[in-house]
Amino acid sequence: DVKVTQSSRYLVKRTGEKVFLECVQDMDHENMFWYRQDPGLGLRLIYFSYDVKMKEKGDIPEGYSVSREKKERFSLILESASTNQTSMYLCASSLPSGKNIQYFGAGTRLSVL
Amino acid sequence: GQSLEQPSEVTAVEGAIVQINCTYQTSGFYGLSWYQQHDGGAPTFLSYNGLDGLEETGRFSSFLSRSDSYGYLLLQELQMKDSASYFCAVRDNYGQNFVFGPGTRLSVLP
Repeated sequence: DVKVTQSSRYLVKRTGEKVFLECVQDMDHENMFWYRQDPGLGLRLIYFSYDVKMKEKGDIPEGYSVSREKKERFSLILESASTNQTSMYLCASSLPSGKNIQYFGAGTRLSVL
Repeated sequence: GQSLEQPSEVTAVEGAIVQINCTYQTSGFYGLSWYQQHDGGAPTFLSYNGLDGLEETGRFSSFLSRSDSYGYLLLQELQMKDSASYFCAVRDNYGQNFVFGPGTRLSVLP
């Protein structure tokens, strides 16, 4: 079974803190994604990566950065957390071909106070 | 711009059939996928349509009409465990990323 693991299930941070969300997948997938999920808005893509050290902006990259130093790990960084970044963050991975099935982690619920 | 539309909520009773529609407007199109998400859980893949027509997987079927920019997910013999949110997603023209719809919350009543 494909496994996508997010380092924290719940996280509480203060405004202005630097926040790291980690994601690891064990299926050697080339593609990895970070989404945020808010009620009524579905999943919105923040960044994705199709190879090590490669990254592409998604629909809402402002206030975020990412790092992919190893194929299995994709990190989302909030340089200076703000209250409007309180959300559920979901990481996913996929192969680059076929049905492009995305496998999601359990999510990290981040609260910025 | 890119957008997908789905009904926000659907309610049905156990044993019934329900159809969740999805219309999309994207700059490119490489397939329509459906995902299920239970409360507190991760989205999980249900179905994929790359070409027009019907795809069947057990109690779930998905349909696509590219000329109408429209698809639907059909759930048959509804069970209580089908209560969840359902998202359609389109792989667009720019690389490997997906655009997700806002989700449809399905409530199955006894």
